[in-house]
Amino acid sequence: AQKITQTQPGMFVQEKEAVTLDCTYDTSDQSYGLFWYKQPSSGEMIFLIYQGSYDEQNATEGRYSLNFQKARKSANLVISASQLGDSAMYFCAMREDNTGNQFYFGTGTSLTVIP
Amino acid sequence: EAGVTQSPTHLIKTRGQQATLRCSPISGHTSVYWYQQALGLGLQFLLWYDEGEERNRGNFPPRFSGRQFPNYSSELNVNALELEDSALYLCASDSQGLGTWAYGYTFGSGTRLTVV
Repeated sequence: AQKITQTQPGMFVQEKEAVTLDCTYDTSDQSYGLFWYKQPSSGEMIFLIYQGSYDEQNATEGRYSLNFQKARKSANLVISASQLGDSAMYFCAMREDNTGNQFYFGTGTSLTVIP
Repeated sequence: EAGVTQSPTHLIKTRGQQATLRCSPISGHTSVYWYQQALGLGLQFLLWYDEGEERNRGNFPPRFSGRQFPNYSSELNVNALELEDSALYLCASDSQGLGTWAYGYTFGSGTRLTVV
């Protein structure tokens, strides 16, 4: 089974609007972390936001927030007030406490912000 | 503070040759991770090195190997190159045991390997 599933290969959003990128995960661990990364066309992976499995509040970092629904095993990324520079690939990732330090990545969502 | 640096930026090799990719972690980071990102796919875990030792490897054949040097820099070697090895190879580093999970990895900009 896939550890991380991102079902939206591509998304479009109007500039200044909010957009939600979906992510579901699969783990039997109690302790894990969920991450979102942005990958512009340059290829570099940029860390955006982190949510720990024991965190009771949703993580927020500036215009980014993570909608964490533990029972549903979902960790959707919400980008508010989209900007043209937000156009990029977005990857959801998970790290489990019991399976070493590797990250499991989803296949990504390509976001295009339309002026 | 210098970030994770990878070299070369681009590499073109012929099928059957060997490729060597290099990564220098952030100063103070002892762990280096290698990932392969084939076109249109997510990142696939390749190798994890910490304190000079291989700690874990992903589901890749043995012709993918590497090492970590005393200064914590790392090399990824790919032998007997195949066309499907063409991909972006990303290196990441972090520091173990300091509760750094919340900051994720720090990635380099990658080496784009093309096998012709």
